[in-house]
Amino acid sequence: SQQGEEDPQALSIQEGENATMNCSYKTSINNLQWYRQNSGRGLVHLILIRSNEREKHSGRLRVTLDTSKKSSSLLITASRAADTASYFCATRTSGTYKYIFGTGTRLKVLA
Amino acid sequence: DAGITQSPRHKVTETGTPVTLRCHQTENHRYMYWYRQDPGHGLRLIHYSYGVKDTDKGEVSDGYSVSRSKTEDFLLTLESATSSQTSVYFCAISESLSGQGSGELFFGEGSRLTVL
Repeated sequence: SQQGEEDPQALSIQEGENATMNCSYKTSINNLQWYRQNSGRGLVHLILIRSNEREKHSGRLRVTLDTSKKSSSLLITASRAADTASYFCATRTSGTYKYIFGTGTRLKVLA
Repeated sequence: DAGITQSPRHKVTETGTPVTLRCHQTENHRYMYWYRQDPGHGLRLIHYSYGVKDTDKGEVSDGYSVSRSKTEDFLLTLESATSSQTSVYFCAISESLSGQGSGELFFGEGSRLTVL
């Protein structure tokens, strides 16, 4: 399987704390994206980082990419209860049109 | 929100029956994808399309076929449904993969299929 993996599988933190989740992937990529899914809904795009970038910020989100280790991390700072959701990374394999998703991290932010 | 509609949203069927799920977009995006989501597996790519009549297999394509006869519609067919195909199916679209546009995927709300 080409599917990537994320860890932890589940994370529970207090409101105001930072949440970090990690993604590992298996192939050469063009870009890596992070998505959020609220229970039972479709996924929503959060941020994209290209293979020649190492770090990117968007609001309270910070993404890093290490292509030598085939890994990425998503940091959500100052978490809010509304951040409770599942988070997925997705990679586009070089030379293809395929987007492959990781297994996801379930984040619970306690008020 | 991107204009993506999946139908039906919920379906219960019996083993051995054919099932077709439809993904309709109003965005004129070139790329369309079908994923299934199961507990512990995240999203897995079934098939995708990179243009009208241009499709290819994903990670878990066995037992599924697709067709795209016009830009706006991407159909996923289970020729003979099995209980292992009970899942939530998501359609996604993308305008571009590089250059102009972010390459982000826009998702439909999902179709929940139960095969008894």
